[in-house]
Amino acid sequence: NAGVMQNPRHLVRRRGQEARLRCSPMKGHSHVYWYRQLPEEGLKFMVYLQKENIIDESGMPKERFSAEFPKEGPSILRIQQVVRGDSAAYFCASSPDGRMNTEAFFGQGTRLTVV
Amino acid sequence: AQSVAQPEDQVNVAEGNPLTVKCTYSVSGNPYLFWYVQYPNRGLQFLLKYITGDNLVKGSYGFEAEFNKSQTSFHLKKPSALVSDSALYFCAVRGVSPTSGTYKYIFGTGTRLKVLA
Repeated sequence: NAGVMQNPRHLVRRRGQEARLRCSPMKGHSHVYWYRQLPEEGLKFMVYLQKENIIDESGMPKERFSAEFPKEGPSILRIQQVVRGDSAAYFCASSPDGRMNTEAFFGQGTRLTVV
Repeated sequence: AQSVAQPEDQVNVAEGNPLTVKCTYSVSGNPYLFWYVQYPNRGLQFLLKYITGDNLVKGSYGFEAEFNKSQTSFHLKKPSALVSDSALYFCAVRGVSPTSGTYKYIFGTGTRLKVLA
């Protein structure tokens, strides 16, 4: 039973390019969460999605960032026109449902470096 | 608003000694609390959770956590630390967003545990 799969593990982009980060949740999980972790900092919530729905995007920057979780395929976090400040580790987590008492399972993360 | 605080950036403990990593929380309603561990360049691994019932929760790798409602704390403990326990530990609460009414995981800033041989 594969865990949460994120790819790529490492991504290098030049300033102004687009970054696309993919997350395949655990089998049977329909809830996905994206977090950003800066060096020596904690996890900052970005967005919470269910299949074909954005549940909570209160942590997403208003510009350049978008996320989707289509009916088929992985969840995508898209960053347009990347800047150096976007360099961070981006983690995806999934849970089987939205109940309060279920734990989320995390992927290994995508480390984005903007040069 | 829902929040989690980890007051210590780093905790040092000698191998074989007991360890405690502190966490306090603020939620409205019943708290659902979690501990995760992160090893270098890895994702977070689930350790344990408190839902209801017994205040002492046992988890993976010999870790346990004590829920204290009056002190709004959920401290992570282990009776005898190992060098391999050295990692970054995160406390989290599943809290309801006041704006959307939905539930998301809110993490503390993390505590780096160093177990010295």
